[in-house]
Amino acid sequence: NAGVMQNPRHLVRRRGQEARLRCSPMKGHSHVYWYRQLPEEGLKFMVYLQKENIIDESGMPKERFSAEFPKEGPSILRIQQVVRGDSAAYFCASSPLPGQLNTEAFFGQGTRLTVV
Amino acid sequence: KQEVTQIPAALSVPEGENLVLNCSFTDSAIYNLQWFRQDPGKGLTSLLLIQSSQREQTSGRLNASLDKSSGRSTLYIAASQPGDSATYLCAVRAGGGNKLTFGTGTQLKVEL
Repeated sequence: NAGVMQNPRHLVRRRGQEARLRCSPMKGHSHVYWYRQLPEEGLKFMVYLQKENIIDESGMPKERFSAEFPKEGPSILRIQQVVRGDSAAYFCASSPLPGQLNTEAFFGQGTRLTVV
Repeated sequence: KQEVTQIPAALSVPEGENLVLNCSFTDSAIYNLQWFRQDPGKGLTSLLLIQSSQREQTSGRLNASLDKSSGRSTLYIAASQPGDSATYLCAVRAGGGNKLTFGTGTQLKVEL
């Protein structure tokens, strides 16, 4: 059972470009969470998605950031018109079915975004 | 709003020492607490998960305790080794949606 897969592992974008980060959850997991780790800071929750549904986006910046988890394929975190302050490590986690609130979170290796 | 604090922020110990990392959280209404390890430039490795109804969990040289009423957890590492050097993060799961609130971590260095 492969773990949570994120790609790319490293991404360099120039200011103003778009960044697309992908996350494939563990097999059998239908819930995906995105977290951001800014330099010298802790991980902060961004968004929680089920297939085709955004459940909680309370941690997402209001502008330029969006996330989706389509019926088929990986979850995508999209950052438009990137700025230097978006440089961070973005982590994805997945968990199983709803109702299992006491489950363990499994994290991917992260995507390290550098905006130049 | 849940806040998670970890003390100390950094710790350096000689090999072989037993050590304790501390985590405190402000809202005791949690589902569970999870300890992670993060190596520089790497992802998060789950170490131990303690459910809200449990008092402790053990895995090898690691023991984590939870006192939900006082909002505290400790991670005990026995007979530390240089390979234990990493940043240790605690995170609590509370409220709807299963999201985690993380502490800022304790950076541990175990020296030969």
